[in-house]
Amino acid sequence: NAGVTQTPKFQVLKTGQSMTLQCAQDMNHNSMYWYRQDPGMGLRLIYYSASEGTTDKGEVPNGYNVSRLNKREFSLRLESAAPSQTSVYFCASSVFSGLPYNEQFFGPGTRLTVL
Amino acid sequence: AQSVTQLDSHVSVSEGTPVLLRCNYSSSYSPSLFWYVQHPNKGLQLLLKYTSAATLVKGINGFEAEFKKSETSFHLTKPSAHMSDAAEYFCVVSETGNQFYFGTGTSLTVIP
Repeated sequence: NAGVTQTPKFQVLKTGQSMTLQCAQDMNHNSMYWYRQDPGMGLRLIYYSASEGTTDKGEVPNGYNVSRLNKREFSLRLESAAPSQTSVYFCASSVFSGLPYNEQFFGPGTRLTVL
Repeated sequence: AQSVTQLDSHVSVSEGTPVLLRCNYSSSYSPSLFWYVQHPNKGLQLLLKYTSAATLVKGINGFEAEFKKSETSFHLTKPSAHMSDAAEYFCVVSETGNQFYFGTGTSLTVIP
Protein backbone atom coordinates (compact mmCIF):
# COMPACT_ATOMS: atom_id res chain seq x y z
CA ASN A 1 0.00 0.00 0.00
CA ALA A 2 1.28 3.44 -0.93
CA GLY A 3 -1.04 5.09 1.62
CA VAL A 4 -1.64 8.76 0.73
CA THR A 5 0.26 10.12 -2.26
CA GLN A 6 0.54 13.72 -3.42
CA THR A 7 1.77 15.30 -6.62
CA PRO A 8 3.76 17.36 -7.25
CA LYS A 9 6.27 17.43 -4.40
CA PHE A 10 7.46 20.93 -5.23
CA GLN A 11 6.00 23.74 -7.33
CA VAL A 12 6.89 27.34 -8.06
CA LEU A 13 4.19 29.61 -9.47
CA LYS A 14 3.96 33.23 -10.47
CA THR A 15 1.22 35.41 -9.01
CA GLY A 16 -2.01 34.86 -10.91
CA GLN A 17 -1.15 31.42 -12.28
CA SER A 18 -3.37 28.46 -11.56
CA MET A 19 -2.57 24.93 -10.61
CA THR A 20 -4.08 21.76 -9.18
CA LEU A 21 -2.59 19.69 -6.41
CA GLN A 22 -3.43 16.02 -6.66
CA CYS A 23 -4.02 13.58 -3.82
CA ALA A 24 -4.87 9.89 -3.89
CA GLN A 25 -5.28 7.22 -1.22
CA ASP A 26 -5.41 3.46 -1.58
CA MET A 27 -6.77 2.60 1.88
CA ASN A 28 -10.45 2.65 0.86
CA HIS A 29 -11.02 5.59 3.19
CA ASN A 30 -14.24 7.56 2.90
CA SER A 31 -12.99 10.92 4.12
CA MET A 32 -10.25 13.16 2.76
CA TYR A 33 -8.80 16.50 3.82
CA TRP A 34 -6.57 19.32 2.61
CA TYR A 35 -4.42 21.30 5.03
CA ARG A 36 -1.85 24.02 4.74
CA GLN A 37 1.12 24.31 7.07
CA ASP A 38 2.75 27.65 7.74
CA PRO A 39 5.64 28.37 10.11
CA GLY A 40 4.46 28.86 13.68
CA MET A 41 0.83 28.16 12.82
CA GLY A 42 0.46 24.40 12.80
CA LEU A 43 -1.84 22.85 10.20
CA ARG A 44 -5.05 24.54 9.18
CA LEU A 45 -7.89 22.80 7.41
CA ILE A 46 -8.74 24.18 3.97
CA TYR A 47 -11.48 21.78 2.81
CA TYR A 48 -12.60 18.31 3.60
CA SER A 49 -14.73 15.66 1.96
CA ALA A 50 -16.64 13.44 4.34
CA SER A 51 -17.59 11.05 1.56
CA GLU A 52 -17.52 10.75 -2.22
CA GLY A 53 -19.64 13.51 -3.72
CA THR A 54 -19.50 15.89 -0.74
CA THR A 55 -17.13 18.69 0.17
CA ASP A 56 -17.15 21.23 3.00
CA LYS A 57 -15.17 24.30 3.91
CA GLY A 58 -12.64 24.21 6.69
CA GLU A 59 -10.94 27.01 8.55
CA VAL A 60 -9.19 28.74 5.60
CA PRO A 61 -11.04 28.00 2.32
CA ASN A 62 -10.68 31.37 0.58
CA GLY A 63 -8.76 31.21 -2.69
CA TYR A 64 -9.13 27.45 -3.07
CA ASN A 65 -11.49 24.99 -4.71
CA VAL A 66 -11.63 21.24 -4.35
CA SER A 67 -12.96 18.27 -6.28
CA ARG A 68 -13.64 14.81 -4.92
CA LEU A 69 -13.12 13.01 -8.20
CA ASN A 70 -13.91 9.55 -6.83
CA LYS A 71 -13.40 7.70 -3.58
CA ARG A 72 -9.62 7.61 -4.05
CA GLU A 73 -8.85 11.10 -5.30
CA PHE A 74 -9.26 14.59 -3.87
CA SER A 75 -7.74 17.56 -5.69
CA LEU A 76 -7.09 21.12 -4.56
CA ARG A 77 -7.11 23.95 -7.09
CA LEU A 78 -5.67 27.42 -6.86
CA GLU A 79 -7.39 29.50 -9.55
CA SER A 80 -5.24 32.61 -9.23
CA ALA A 81 -2.26 32.05 -6.98
CA ALA A 82 -1.16 34.73 -4.53
CA PRO A 83 2.06 35.01 -2.51
CA SER A 84 -0.01 34.44 0.66
CA GLN A 85 -0.65 30.92 -0.60
CA THR A 86 3.02 30.02 -0.32
CA SER A 87 2.90 27.10 2.05
CA VAL A 88 3.28 23.37 2.46
CA TYR A 89 0.08 21.54 1.58
CA PHE A 90 -0.85 18.21 3.12
CA CYS A 91 -3.55 15.82 2.08
CA ALA A 92 -4.96 13.38 4.62
CA SER A 93 -7.55 10.63 4.72
CA SER A 94 -9.50 8.75 7.34
CA VAL A 95 -11.92 5.84 7.39
CA PHE A 96 -14.90 8.00 8.24
CA SER A 97 -15.38 11.53 9.39
CA GLY A 98 -17.74 12.42 12.19
CA LEU A 99 -16.59 9.62 14.42
CA PRO A 100 -14.67 10.05 17.64
CA TYR A 101 -11.05 8.89 17.74
CA ASN A 102 -10.99 9.21 13.96
CA GLU A 103 -7.29 9.29 13.14
CA GLN A 104 -5.97 10.73 9.91
CA PHE A 105 -3.25 9.44 7.60
CA PHE A 106 -1.13 12.07 5.90
CA GLY A 107 0.64 12.36 2.59
CA PRO A 108 4.23 13.62 2.27
CA GLY A 109 3.22 17.18 1.36
CA THR A 110 3.56 19.61 -1.55
CA ARG A 111 5.83 22.60 -1.07
CA LEU A 112 4.37 25.52 -3.03
CA THR A 113 6.06 28.86 -3.60
CA VAL A 114 4.19 31.74 -5.23
CA LEU A 115 6.40 34.57 -6.48
CA ALA B 1 -15.13 26.62 20.27
CA GLN B 2 -12.31 24.13 20.27
CA SER B 3 -8.63 24.95 20.30
CA VAL B 4 -5.27 23.65 21.36
CA THR B 5 -2.37 25.44 22.99
CA GLN B 6 1.06 23.92 22.94
CA LEU B 7 2.86 25.66 25.74
CA ASP B 8 6.41 25.36 24.39
CA SER B 9 7.47 26.11 20.83
CA HIS B 10 10.90 24.55 21.40
CA VAL B 11 12.11 21.92 23.86
CA SER B 12 15.70 20.69 24.18
CA VAL B 13 16.65 17.59 26.14
CA SER B 14 19.76 15.47 26.47
CA GLU B 15 19.71 11.96 25.08
CA GLY B 16 18.53 9.53 27.75
CA THR B 17 16.63 12.15 29.79
CA PRO B 18 12.84 12.44 30.05
CA VAL B 19 10.74 14.32 27.53
CA LEU B 20 7.70 16.44 28.42
CA LEU B 21 5.72 18.25 25.72
CA ARG B 22 2.78 20.20 27.08
CA CYS B 23 -0.66 20.60 25.53
CA ASN B 24 -3.78 22.29 26.85
CA TYR B 25 -7.08 22.12 25.02
CA SER B 26 -10.35 23.97 25.00
CA SER B 27 -13.55 22.14 24.13
CA SER B 28 -17.22 22.37 24.96
CA TYR B 29 -17.69 18.63 24.64
CA SER B 30 -15.73 15.49 25.32
CA PRO B 31 -13.10 15.79 22.63
CA SER B 32 -10.89 13.38 20.80
CA LEU B 33 -7.23 14.20 21.34
CA PHE B 34 -4.22 13.16 19.32
CA TRP B 35 -0.47 13.61 19.16
CA TYR B 36 1.24 13.53 15.79
CA VAL B 37 4.95 13.64 14.98
CA GLN B 38 6.52 15.19 11.90
CA HIS B 39 10.12 14.45 11.01
CA PRO B 40 11.90 16.96 8.75
CA ASN B 41 10.42 17.16 5.27
CA LYS B 42 8.00 14.34 6.00
CA GLY B 43 4.27 13.96 6.50
CA LEU B 44 2.65 13.53 9.89
CA GLN B 45 2.48 10.24 11.73
CA LEU B 46 0.09 9.39 14.56
CA LEU B 47 1.83 8.82 17.89
CA LEU B 48 -1.23 8.16 20.03
CA LYS B 49 -4.87 9.08 20.55
CA TYR B 50 -7.19 9.49 23.51
CA THR B 51 -10.13 7.12 23.25
CA SER B 52 -11.77 7.71 26.67
CA ALA B 53 -11.14 4.07 27.61
CA ALA B 54 -8.21 5.08 29.79
CA THR B 55 -6.76 8.40 30.79
CA LEU B 56 -3.19 7.19 30.32
CA VAL B 57 -2.62 6.48 26.67
CA LYS B 58 0.35 4.55 25.32
CA GLY B 59 1.65 5.22 21.83
CA ILE B 60 4.43 4.19 19.55
CA ASN B 61 8.15 4.54 20.26
CA GLY B 62 7.68 4.64 24.04
CA PHE B 63 5.56 7.80 24.16
CA GLU B 64 2.64 8.24 26.54
CA ALA B 65 0.08 10.95 27.22
CA GLU B 66 -2.25 11.49 30.13
CA PHE B 67 -5.70 13.02 29.70
CA LYS B 68 -6.58 15.28 32.64
CA LYS B 69 -10.06 16.69 32.26
CA SER B 70 -9.83 18.87 35.36
CA GLU B 71 -6.72 20.56 33.97
CA THR B 72 -7.81 20.35 30.28
CA SER B 73 -4.39 18.96 29.51
CA PHE B 74 -2.98 16.16 27.36
CA HIS B 75 0.77 16.27 27.91
CA LEU B 76 3.11 13.95 26.01
CA THR B 77 5.93 12.19 27.84
CA LYS B 78 8.71 9.72 27.22
CA PRO B 79 11.01 8.37 29.95
CA SER B 80 14.21 8.47 27.92
CA ALA B 81 14.85 10.55 24.80
CA HIS B 82 16.52 9.07 21.75
CA MET B 83 18.23 10.96 18.96
CA SER B 84 15.58 9.72 16.55
CA ASP B 85 12.91 11.55 18.60
CA ALA B 86 14.09 14.92 17.26
CA ALA B 87 11.10 16.20 15.30
CA GLU B 88 8.08 18.50 15.39
CA TYR B 89 5.16 17.38 17.56
CA PHE B 90 1.56 18.45 17.17
CA CYS B 91 -1.31 18.16 19.61
CA VAL B 92 -4.72 17.94 17.89
CA VAL B 93 -8.29 18.22 19.16
CA SER B 94 -11.53 17.27 17.48
CA GLU B 95 -15.07 17.38 18.85
CA THR B 96 -16.89 16.07 15.81
CA GLY B 97 -14.36 13.93 13.97
CA ASN B 98 -14.93 16.19 10.95
CA GLN B 99 -12.71 19.13 11.71
CA PHE B 100 -9.41 18.89 13.49
CA TYR B 101 -7.62 21.74 15.23
CA PHE B 102 -3.87 21.62 15.45
CA GLY B 103 -1.60 23.30 17.94
CA THR B 104 1.25 25.38 16.61
CA GLY B 105 3.73 22.60 17.25
CA THR B 106 6.67 21.90 19.55
CA SER B 107 10.09 21.38 18.06
CA LEU B 108 12.04 18.78 20.04
CA THR B 109 15.83 18.86 19.93
CA VAL B 110 17.78 15.95 21.41
CA ILE B 111 21.33 16.75 22.43
CA PRO B 112 23.83 13.88 22.25
